[in-house]
Parts: sequence; structure tokens; C-alpha cells
Amino acid sequence: GAVVSQHPSWVICKSGTSVKIECRSLDFQATTMFWYRQFPKQSLMLMATSNEGSKATYEQGVEKDKFLINHASLTLSTLTVTSAHPEDSSFYICSARPSEGRETQYFGPGTRLLVL
Amino acid sequence: GQNIDQPTEMTATEGAIVQINCTYQTSGFNGLFWYQQHAGEAPTFLSYNVLDGLEEKGRFSSFLSRSKGYSYLLLKELQMKDSASYLCAPSSDSWGKLQFGAGTQVVVTP
Repeated sequence: GAVVSQHPSWVICKSGTSVKIECRSLDFQATTMFWYRQFPKQSLMLMATSNEGSKATYEQGVEKDKFLINHASLTLSTLTVTSAHPEDSSFYICSARPSEGRETQYFGPGTRLLVL
Repeated sequence: GQNIDQPTEMTATEGAIVQINCTYQTSGFNGLFWYQQHAGEAPTFLSYNVLDGLEEKGRFSSFLSRSKGYSYLLLKELQMKDSASYLCAPSSDSWGKLQFGAGTQVVVTP
């Protein structure tokens, strides 16, 4: 149980385009989902906390207009990187926390974004 | 503010035991997680401590001292597949927001 999927797993795009990444909890409901970014050989950096039905809470230094987060249902959150630039190339990982009882966050497999 | 400190790298041989220490300072505390991350993959959950003491789960054990802001992950009977980065992550609020340390790269040698 507690499986989280992400789609796509890989994306290559041209500079200036927008990219949408989906995060789904497959066998549980998640009121709260989190979006992280990880650059090579660095730790995970929390970008934002996404709560179903409300606006996301962004960490300091993360531009909310550039990284649009939507958490429309208890099993789906999306991250849209708008007007992507090469410096946005990174490994984006989501996690989901079950709505009932458990404290543990379960991570998706991640999405590698390469902006040319 | 948040501050998480763990060693950068540890090397051990197959079958040995390794202890990864983590000290943390957070503005709030709602438990501490340990995750394993293989290169190029997402983290996988290993353990969660919210009360002081030792939690044992197979070859992996985790210890927490809240008053000292200290935790360790103990890996026993090391296997080659245990070569990975181990991430210490205190949870700082009721939503479960995690702050990750830089990770400890464990290298298991034959």
C-alpha cells in the first residue's frame, strides 16, 4: 500500500515553455502533498505544501507565480513550471501524507526536467 | 530556523554495523523520519520516531532523544544494496512538513 505516482518521469522542453507534473496517491487519500526539488548531489529542498481545496504554502525564495500548484482532489496534485528556463532543470519529487492517522510521507518516483 | 547535521559519508564492509548520527534544531517538532535514497531515485521511508527511545525494524533501528535534538540510524548486517544516501528529516509542524539534512552517503564494500 501507500503508492505515489508521478507523471511524466522524464521531460525535455525548450526554454520558455510550461511543464505540468502530476502527483497521484494511488491507494490512499492525501489531504496534504508536498513538492520538493533536488539538484545533483544535494539534498531535497521543500518548495511548497499543497493542501486539498486551498492555496499552496510556498517556502521562502520559491516563486509562487512560476511554480503553480493545484491540489484539486484528495488524490491529485499538480505542479506547473511556467516559462521554464535551463536553471529550472532539476529532479522534482512529490510526497503525499495519508489523510487518516499516519504521519509518514510517501514519495513519488520523481520527475526529471531538462530545459534546453 | 532549521539546522540538521549529519556526516557526509561513511564506509563499512559487508556484514558490519554502521551508525549514522543526526543532530537537529527546528522551530517545532512533530517527530523525526529517516529515509533511504539510492542515486537517481526518490526517497523510501525507513523509520519514524516521535517519542524518545529506540525503534527496531529488522536490520534497521532508529533512536531519538528529543531533549538533545539527536537521532541515529543503525544499520546492521550490512548488504551491498544498502549503499545509498540516508536522510535525516525532522518534521516541524502538524502538517508534517519535513526538512531534510544533506544526507549521509553510506558505501558498503565487499
